[in-house]
Amino acid sequence: KAGVTQTPRYLIKTRGQQVTLSCSPISGHRSVSWYQQTPGQGLQFLFEYFSETQRNKGNFPGRFSGRQFSNSRSEMNVSTLELGDSALYLCASSRTLLAGGYEQYFGPGTRLTVT
Amino acid sequence: AQTVTQSQPEMSVQEAETVTLSCTYDTSESNYYLFWYKQPPSRQMILVIRQEAYKQQNATENRFSVNFQKAAKSFSLKISDSQLGDTAMYFCAFMTPATGANSKLTFGKGITLSVRP
Repeated sequence: KAGVTQTPRYLIKTRGQQVTLSCSPISGHRSVSWYQQTPGQGLQFLFEYFSETQRNKGNFPGRFSGRQFSNSRSEMNVSTLELGDSALYLCASSRTLLAGGYEQYFGPGTRLTVT
Repeated sequence: AQTVTQSQPEMSVQEAETVTLSCTYDTSESNYYLFWYKQPPSRQMILVIRQEAYKQQNATENRFSVNFQKAAKSFSLKISDSQLGDTAMYFCAFMTPATGANSKLTFGKGITLSVRP
């Protein structure tokens, strides 16, 4: 099976602009989660989508939003970009475990730089 | 809220030797999963090993094994016969399987492991 793919891999934007990142999960996986990784804050959970519905949300401002399509592909959008949004954005595709819970597989990430 | 602590920011080991990476966590849940992820310099996060809290037996995956101490809330990763390709940042992570709404991973800050030739 193909792994999790994320596009684009690198992005440079200017403060105030908006950006859309895309994630295609592993075939058959219905849950997609997004994480932000920065040197200072580490890995922080943004949100999770399952069957086109946002099921869980982290503690990020409303400028961060996402959606999921019927084919399980997901996009996240960041509006009014700030310098502090510079980060590696990771998408994870989830496999359900027999005893409940999920095992997450990560994509290569999108490196966003805001100038 | 669950927390995951990795107190060692960096470690170094000689090739072919064994190294243990430490992780502690805090939760009031009785059923949960613990994971170790590896993130090499290329940045692709890779799942190394998983441990279910209800299982007493420690998980093993080839050269990787864990020491899970539920009462102490400790979850360490042992890497045997270290290889240069093991050089990476290692993250300990926690997840509760109670409901689908709790399917997020809580990560520690990570440990940078360097394997010396």
